[in-house]
Amino acid sequence: EVHLLESGGDSVLPGGSLRLSCVASGVSFSSDAVGWVRQAPGKGLEWVTTIRGNGGITEYADSVKGRFTISRDKSKSTVYLQMSSLRVEDTAIYYCTKEGVNFYGFESWGQGTLVTVSS
Amino acid sequence: SYVLTQAPSVSVAPGQTASITCGGNSIGTKSVHWYQQKPGQAPVLVVHDDGDRPSGIAERFSGSNSGNTATLTIRWVEAGDEADYYCQVWDDSSGHPTFVFGTGTRVTVL
Repeated sequence: EVHLLESGGDSVLPGGSLRLSCVASGVSFSSDAVGWVRQAPGKGLEWVTTIRGNGGITEYADSVKGRFTISRDKSKSTVYLQMSSLRVEDTAIYYCTKEGVNFYGFESWGQGTLVTVSS
Repeated sequence: SYVLTQAPSVSVAPGQTASITCGGNSIGTKSVHWYQQKPGQAPVLVVHDDGDRPSGIAERFSGSNSGNTATLTIRWVEAGDEADYYCQVWDDSSGHPTFVFGTGTRVTVL
């Protein structure tokens, strides 16, 4: 069974940085794609980034490209989201997600961690 | 960029059928996935690949996809089905792979 546990959410100033962590149990980093989806307060879902199992290829939404970096540590079963140059509009709950084995959808979700960017 | 459009809200009486639509250009050529999100909780996948249910999801949930509209159908609606529902596709038509979510539909059980 897959279990995703996020941590690292906090309140930061605009322009600041933050690193989120997702401990992913029941996930094979060699084959599974893991990533992040966010949800601003009272708003809908927005895909942020994915790191693919085979080869570690990374993909980013245009809204975060160049500012956010996804990485993983197989020895710790952990995926990281390094966020820099944070903006007020990055305020959201960030969910760690695991993609389906044979489909481009999100079959498992963590409970989320809240990031607030405010002066 | 690819856009998915959903009605903001749908109301349905208990025991009746709720139909939640997701509109997109030629969406019938894509695989559509649906998520249920109850207040204060993380989303849950209820249908993938247009009409397949993950393990543990009730048979009352079904999906279809054709032309420019995908539909999530909830039969014999229960109070516990009250939630926000989002459709989602994967789009690489611009050469940049992107996961696209619909705007979401709030289902209210009367």
